[in-house]
Amino acid sequence: DQQVKQNSPSLSVQEGRISILNCDYTNSMFDYFLWYKKYPAEGPTFLISISSIKDKNEDGRFTVFLNKSAKHLSLHIVPSQPGDSAVYFCAASAGGGADGLTFGKGTHLIIQP
Amino acid sequence: SQTIHQWPATLVQPVGSPLSLECTVEGTSNPNLYWYRQAAGRGLQLLFYSVGIGQISSEVPQNLSASRPQDRQFILSSKKLLLSDSGFYLCAEDRGTNYGYTFGSGTRLTVV
Repeated sequence: DQQVKQNSPSLSVQEGRISILNCDYTNSMFDYFLWYKKYPAEGPTFLISISSIKDKNEDGRFTVFLNKSAKHLSLHIVPSQPGDSAVYFCAASAGGGADGLTFGKGTHLIIQP
Repeated sequence: SQTIHQWPATLVQPVGSPLSLECTVEGTSNPNLYWYRQAAGRGLQLLFYSVGIGQISSEVPQNLSASRPQDRQFILSSKKLLLSDSGFYLCAEDRGTNYGYTFGSGTRLTVV
């Protein structure tokens, strides 16, 4: 049973527009959420995170929104740029334990010129 | 700063052959280390994690094993590879910051 779900395997957005990547989770114990960006044949790199005590975190063009009641988070990229084309993974952790982050399957974002 | 070294970058192995992937970490002591696998359509799957030398926890039953012979060394092994072991293997380190994990550059394993 997948505890972190990214239901869109791919997303195509025009350059300059907003990209919205969605993530849903089922485990109520998750209290920290992260987004990673991954290029082909490379390891994922950290992008932005949010604690469950917040509902929004912003870093430059990237904003993550958390809706705890809906168990839903989203990543907004504005404006989208060609270099944003990558696979984006949503991840969650519970209690800051050492037993690993739980990742979604990823969404492949394609920015069209 | 920290650096995670993974090698090799790519590997093609026949079914039934052994496997050894090595991950070493610089710049930190007693890190929590992880092995993840990215397989087609399955996202990032946690395979093993280690909180210290000789301490290994397995998340899923499989044809693989892990060892941590030194504080900054994490090894992923198999005695006999299966076709289903093909995938992209990633080593990661958790330094307990708000930035989650730092990942290595990964090893693309193809079992033929």
